[in-house]
Amino acid sequence: DQQVKQNSPSLSVQEGRISILNCDYTNSMFDYFLWYKKYPAEGPTFLISISSIKDKNEDGRFTVFLNKSAKHLSLHIVPSQPGDSAVYFCAVPPSSGAGSYQLTFGKGTKLSVIP
Amino acid sequence: GAGVSQSPRYKVAKRGQDVALRCDPISGHVSLFWYQQALGQGPEFLTYFQNEAQLDKSGLPSDRFFAERPEGSVSTLKIQRTQQEDSAVYLCASSLGRTTNTIYFGEGSWLTVV
Repeated sequence: DQQVKQNSPSLSVQEGRISILNCDYTNSMFDYFLWYKKYPAEGPTFLISISSIKDKNEDGRFTVFLNKSAKHLSLHIVPSQPGDSAVYFCAVPPSSGAGSYQLTFGKGTKLSVIP
Repeated sequence: GAGVSQSPRYKVAKRGQDVALRCDPISGHVSLFWYQQALGQGPEFLTYFQNEAQLDKSGLPSDRFFAERPEGSVSTLKIQRTQQEDSAVYLCASSLGRTTNTIYFGEGSWLTVV
């Protein structure tokens, strides 16, 4: 029973366009969400996070949106660049509190940005 | 070093062989995690250390898996009598405090059991 679901295993986007990566979760008690980016043969690196007290967090070209009622979050990349091509993971800490250990990851979405 | 360092980067083991994977966390980081990532999957939690104490080993898939962090810095993940299903990338991660919201991953140790 997956608590964090990324239903699109892959996504292709033209350079300069918007990339939208989606993540759904099942536990309404989750109150903090993270996105990690992973290049081949490297470990995941932290990209951006959002607390449940917000519905949007922006960092440069990256914006994460949170819809608590739908238990859905999305990562927007605008404009997309070829260097953004990677696997993106949505992750949540345990519902016992933000910042707890043991992140639960989705299966990831492989983004390919086409020049 | 500046980041989490793992060795070996790549390991091919014959079925039944024991393997040891090493993790050097970021200096001063209290928390250390091991994750297993199978092909096409997200990382899955194996175990967690706070300093030298192993506070959670609920993710270890069997008693063939053992992790230690005796001095609260370097950690070793040992897999005894490896099986083909153990083939995966083993990721080590560390974080500064007990409850930080972000953790920093190493590049992983790629284990292939043949």
